Amino acid sequence: EAEVAQSPRYKITEKSQAVAFWCDPISGHATLYWYRQILGQGPELLVQFQDESVVDDSQLPKDRFSAERLKGVDSTLKIQPAELGDSAMYLCASSPKQNYEQYFGPGTRLTVT
Amino acid sequence: GENVEQHPSTLSVQEGDSAVIKCTYSDSASNYFPWYKQELGKRPQLIIDIRSNVGEKKDQRIAVTLNKTAKHFSLHITETQPEDSAVYFCAASSRMVTSYGKLTFGQGTILTVHP
Repeated sequence: EAEVAQSPRYKITEKSQAVAFWCDPISGHATLYWYRQILGQGPELLVQFQDESVVDDSQLPKDRFSAERLKGVDSTLKIQPAELGDSAMYLCASSPKQNYEQYFGPGTRLTVT
Repeated sequence: GENVEQHPSTLSVQEGDSAVIKCTYSDSASNYFPWYKQELGKRPQLIIDIRSNVGEKKDQRIAVTLNKTAKHFSLHITETQPEDSAVYFCAASSRMVTSYGKLTFGQGTILTVHP
C-alpha cells in the first residue's frame, strides 16, 4: 500500500538556525498539506497545495516559514530562523484531487534548543 | 472559520466495553467528517469518515453518527480491545472553493482500554 514519505524523521536544531523538511506524497495525489502538531493537540494546517499552486497559506508564519512544490509532486517546508516555539511534529498529508480523504506521513519531530 | 470541539479529553474503559467520543462543529457548510487514530509516535490514520448526506456509517466495531441539525458527530467503538488504546481525533471540512479539503481538527481524546 502506497504511503506518504517524509524526511528526516527527527531534527534537533538550535534557535536561529535554518531547517528544512521534505515530503513525497502518494503517487497521483494532486493535493498536498503541511500540518503542525503540538504535543497534546490536533494537527493545524500550515499550507495547502493543489498541484504546484498554494491554495491556502493563511496560517503559515510567512516571516520565517516557506513552502514549495515546484513540480507538483514532492514538497519542502523551510523554517528560517527557527524559534523555540517551533518545536513540534510537522506532518505532511496528501489527497486525490477530487476526494476528501487525507493520508498522513510519519512526520518530522522538530526540537529547537 | 471552522471550530471543532471534542469531548472527552480522556476516556478509560474496560476491555469489551463500548467507547463514545463526541465532536461539535460550528460551520454549517462543513460536509465531511473523518476520524483519525494516532498511536504514540506514529502518523494519524484514517479509521472512518462520513459525509453530510449520510446519518450513520459502520465498519466492523466502529461506527460514526452525524446530526447535521445539531452540528455534532460521534465515534462509537464497541467491544473495545487493548489495541484500540490511542489518541482519536475528529475533524471537519467544508467544500468552499478556497478551502477545498481543509481539515479542522478537534483537540483529541486519549482512549485507554484496560485488559
